[in-house]
Amino acid sequence: QVQLEESGPGLVKPSETLSLTCTVSGGSISSYYWSWIRQLPGERLEWIGYVFRSANTDYNPSLKSRVTMSLDASKNQLSLNLTSVTAADTAIYYCAKLHRSASLNWFDPWGQGTLVTVS
Amino acid sequence: DIRMTQSPSSLSASVGDRVTITCRASQSLNNYLNWYQQKPGKAPKLLIFAVSNLPSGVPSRFSGSGSGTDFTLTIDSLQPEDIATYYCQQSYTTPKTFGQGTRLEIK
Repeated sequence: QVQLEESGPGLVKPSETLSLTCTVSGGSISSYYWSWIRQLPGERLEWIGYVFRSANTDYNPSLKSRVTMSLDASKNQLSLNLTSVTAADTAIYYCAKLHRSASLNWFDPWGQGTLVTVS
Repeated sequence: DIRMTQSPSSLSASVGDRVTITCRASQSLNNYLNWYQQKPGKAPKLLIFAVSNLPSGVPSRFSGSGSGTDFTLTIDSLQPEDIATYYCQQSYTTPKTFGQGTRLEIK
């Protein structure tokens, strides 16, 4: 079964770029859709976007100007870059497989999450 | 964006109780509605997909129902391990959006 693990710096300075990696095991990264989701202070969940085979992406309009998602098939990893961060980007960042069945879709499974603080 | 509103925001119930959490969408979702369970310190976990379908391994005391804009998560006979925050999520359109969560505690 697919398992995911996020990694990256836990502390990022304001105005810099947040870069995270999600390593996938138990399945090919080229076969599925993948999403990043973050959990803000106060526990609100915010969908950041999805990526499929790098060329197919969809981002939350609220973050679209600052977000890039990509895949590295050789490492079976997906990555997230978020530019020009502020304190409002402080959150736990999760990667998740976006399971699709016909037009239905849901997030399963999720990685364990990684806390990123902007300060 | 589709706004998802859960009620109540928090809930305290006794072991063995039947618990109901509701989720209302700002527009019709057909059956594009999922539920997640997040235990303290853990990542969210898929609980129900497409309104009423349980993934393998989810206890049968959990059930989902609803249509259009109004949906319900029910826990029959609450167990201590059900302490968690529950989120609904619409997958009808992007951006995908979540409810604000319902925190469930045991009395």
